[in-house]
Amino acid sequence: EAQVTQNPRYLITVTGKKLTVTCSQNMNHEYMSWYRQDPGLGLRQIYYSMNVEVTDKGDVPEGYKVSRKEKRNFPLILESPSPNQTSLYFCASSSNYRGGDTGELFFGEGSRLTVL
Amino acid sequence: KQEVTQIPAALSVPEGENLVLNCSFTDSAIYNLQWFRQDPGKGLTSLLLIQSSQREQTSGRLNASLDKSSGRSTLYIAASQPGDSATYLCAVNDYKLSFGAGTTVTVRA
Repeated sequence: EAQVTQNPRYLITVTGKKLTVTCSQNMNHEYMSWYRQDPGLGLRQIYYSMNVEVTDKGDVPEGYKVSRKEKRNFPLILESPSPNQTSLYFCASSSNYRGGDTGELFFGEGSRLTVL
Repeated sequence: KQEVTQIPAALSVPEGENLVLNCSFTDSAIYNLQWFRQDPGKGLTSLLLIQSSQREQTSGRLNASLDKSSGRSTLYIAASQPGDSATYLCAVNDYKLSFGAGTTVTVRA
């Protein structure tokens, strides 16, 4: 089954404790991206990757890191989480990225993160 | 900067009624527009993708239209069912993806 898998789905952590949210897709997609969804602010892009070893900042990259060492995986790293990073996070992938056109996006189920 | 607006924010209809959801955007130079469905606590499910060269796309009871010149897209859902209750989001792609805040639909049995 074609899917985008995120882990963990739920996480409660404390300020400053490094964490990684993993994202894996089994569709051989080149394009992957991370979003956060907050009430009243909608979905905002954090980082995206057009292919292995190619990443770029989205609208709200501060406090986050990413890496793309393999095509199928695109982990989101919070080096020193803070309470303002409490949010619902989504990973997405697409096969048709061309010069800015992301094509049809497929989303993971989301990871709800709470930072105390 | 692209701004995407979805009005109304919430909609409640009786079962069987047709649904009309609106999405407007400020910059017409887009690659495509995508409609998603989001259930509470879940991810986004792609419903329809309309390329900038297309006027509409259909899938089953769903039909989406696109009028680039006026910066509008409309999602029609025919003969609504309680299972259609969800939040519907549109996303406009003009080099980056910009999402609307969504319309939350409740279909009453």
